[in-house]
Amino acid sequence: AQKITQTQPGMFVQEKEAVTLDCTYDTSDQSYGLFWYKQPSSGEMIFLIYQGSYDEQNATEGRYSLNFQKARKSANLVISASQLGDSAMYFCAMRELRRAAGNKLTFGGGTRVLVKP
Amino acid sequence: ETGVTQSPTHLIKTRGQQVTLRCSSQSGHNTVSWYQQALGQGPQFIFQYYREEENGRGNFPPRFSGLQFPNYSSELNVNALELDDSALYLCASSRDRGNYNEQFFGPGTRLTVL
Repeated sequence: AQKITQTQPGMFVQEKEAVTLDCTYDTSDQSYGLFWYKQPSSGEMIFLIYQGSYDEQNATEGRYSLNFQKARKSANLVISASQLGDSAMYFCAMRELRRAAGNKLTFGGGTRVLVKP
Repeated sequence: ETGVTQSPTHLIKTRGQQVTLRCSSQSGHNTVSWYQQALGQGPQFIFQYYREEENGRGNFPPRFSGLQFPNYSSELNVNALELDDSALYLCASSRDRGNYNEQFFGPGTRLTVL
């Protein structure tokens, strides 16, 4: 069974600084995808970044980068140059990439980020 | 915005009642997944529908059921509501099942069971 662990329930970060959100995962599958989502208070889950288990380079999307360490089974999200609008819940999620697994995402418990001006 | 819509946005029911939640998927998407997110927790997968058939189910009892229509919109039905069913219910649509593809989430329906 897949499991995602986010050990930081909440974090404060100063505006314009970088913040790293931790995510460790457990799976017996060789082929999987790792996702990060942002959830503002409105409730909608916003896709941020994706890393495939066979991707050799760390994923980057604008101010978001994923520090993927496969041997350690970690997929930490780095947000650079934090903005006030980055204040939200952040979820790490995993999906098996076998067709039979469908699109089921397994989520961690989330980390709440509050950006201070 | 993702183009995925859900209705209603909020709902209050009492124990034992039945509820139907609705989701309209993004244009061109044939797969819809439903998630339950209890307060302060991450979402949990309920089930997925692909081309009108259930295609994967999480650890939820049979009183959670669903439908997908020919236009790929979907319904989540919950019978015999319990207090623990109070949660945000999210649906997500995608172009296909399996392989990497981005799932687009709707804004959710917040269900309160009294």
